Amino acid sequence: DTGVSQNPRHKITKRGQNVTFRCDPISEHNRLYWYRQTLGQGPEFLTYFQNEAQLEKSRLLSDRFSAERPKGSFSTLEIQRTEQGDSAMYLCASSRPGALVEQYFGPGTRLTVT
Amino acid sequence: RKEVEQDPGPFNVPEGATVAFNCTYSNSASQSFFWYRQDCRKEPKLLMSVYSSGNEDGRFTAQLNRASQYISLLIRDSKLSDSATYLCVVNPRAGNMLTFGGGTRLMVKP
Repeated sequence: DTGVSQNPRHKITKRGQNVTFRCDPISEHNRLYWYRQTLGQGPEFLTYFQNEAQLEKSRLLSDRFSAERPKGSFSTLEIQRTEQGDSAMYLCASSRPGALVEQYFGPGTRLTVT
Repeated sequence: RKEVEQDPGPFNVPEGATVAFNCTYSNSASQSFFWYRQDCRKEPKLLMSVYSSGNEDGRFTAQLNRASQYISLLIRDSKLSDSATYLCVVNPRAGNMLTFGGGTRLMVKP
């Protein structure tokens, strides 16, 4: 399978705990995006990398959220001191270089904070 | 006002029907446009890009009206397997984040 992969697929955690998600993009894609989706809504942009550089962050990305892509390949998204409002599907997408290109999504990590 | 607005539906149609979805966007500088399909509890999957001249892919036709900031998707000869949520998506800047509408839910009945 050469698509975008994400791990874990599901995560249940207690409020106040830290969680980390991983995304492996399509191998030739240098751009990587994180989105969050809650029930009944479309995905909302969180942050974007081009190679290892984090180029844009949404105001949705509070100080408790941090994302890295240290070698320009896989990326991690960490949420510290989780809150119940963090419960959502966290989606990763990647795209090839160039303008006006399509993004391809991974299966997502569903986070439930109890 | 949301940046991308869609009628949430649901649209309930019989097999074989033609159905059309509309979407409006607020950022006139938006550069690229897409329709994504999302099945229940799955990731969004690209259905088609939308070009200024309009484009067709089998039973699916997409149109873009930049002057009215309006995008449409037409599905002909609906199949049961077309049942899904259709997300209107706008890229306000080349290479950067996508802005999604809330989605339109389609249910095709036998």
